[in-house]
Amino acid sequence: QQQVKQSPQSLIVQKGGISIINCAYENTAFDYFPWYQQFPGKGPALLIAIRPDVSEKKEGRFTISFNKSAKQFSLHIMDSQPGDSATYFCAASYLEDDYKLSFGAGTTVTVRA
Amino acid sequence: DTAVSQTPKYLVTQMGNDKSIKCEQNLGHDTMYWYKQDSKKFLKIMFSYNNKELIINETVPNRFSPKSPDKAHLNLHINSLELGDSAVYFCASSQGSGRVYEQFFGPGTRLTVL
Repeated sequence: QQQVKQSPQSLIVQKGGISIINCAYENTAFDYFPWYQQFPGKGPALLIAIRPDVSEKKEGRFTISFNKSAKQFSLHIMDSQPGDSATYFCAASYLEDDYKLSFGAGTTVTVRA
Repeated sequence: DTAVSQTPKYLVTQMGNDKSIKCEQNLGHDTMYWYKQDSKKFLKIMFSYNNKELIINETVPNRFSPKSPDKAHLNLHINSLELGDSAVYFCASSQGSGRVYEQFFGPGTRLTVL
């Protein structure tokens, strides 16, 4: 069964807008939460990651917000650009599982110029 | 270029055939993975090797057999191909296992079983 639930399945945003993707998990053992970005015809690439000891991490226009009590985390893409159009995957992993990545179902983001 | 590479990029074959996908990384990593991405883009790990030793073996039909001749290579052999095997297969590598390490993915091999 899917250990990480991701929504929405797809979203369309205007250039300059904010894209928000949400993920939820049940396994409280998870202690590493990366986001991967995948362009069509390419492999996924790590975008940004967070550990549960912080509530927010920002890298450029990309921010992860983490709510440990709610077991939810989200990716915000600020000032969305057409080049951000891609599929985004959240994932989670933990030490006792050898940090095996459990991926969400993915969100296809389309940024309209 | 330093990277994870896979061959072939596309593979079209008939049901019942046996095929192999090759993966090589020149990043100096000692852990390699195979993932399957289905038609709905869902990514799921299949296998992981650390220093040529199998460490993750998910519930995958035994028609799938990974082989790691050395730390830089991880191949995937599939026997008696079925329609449901059609997917994109990604190889990935990381610096190690048992800790948090970024995984670097290859470009994928799109397998189509007719």
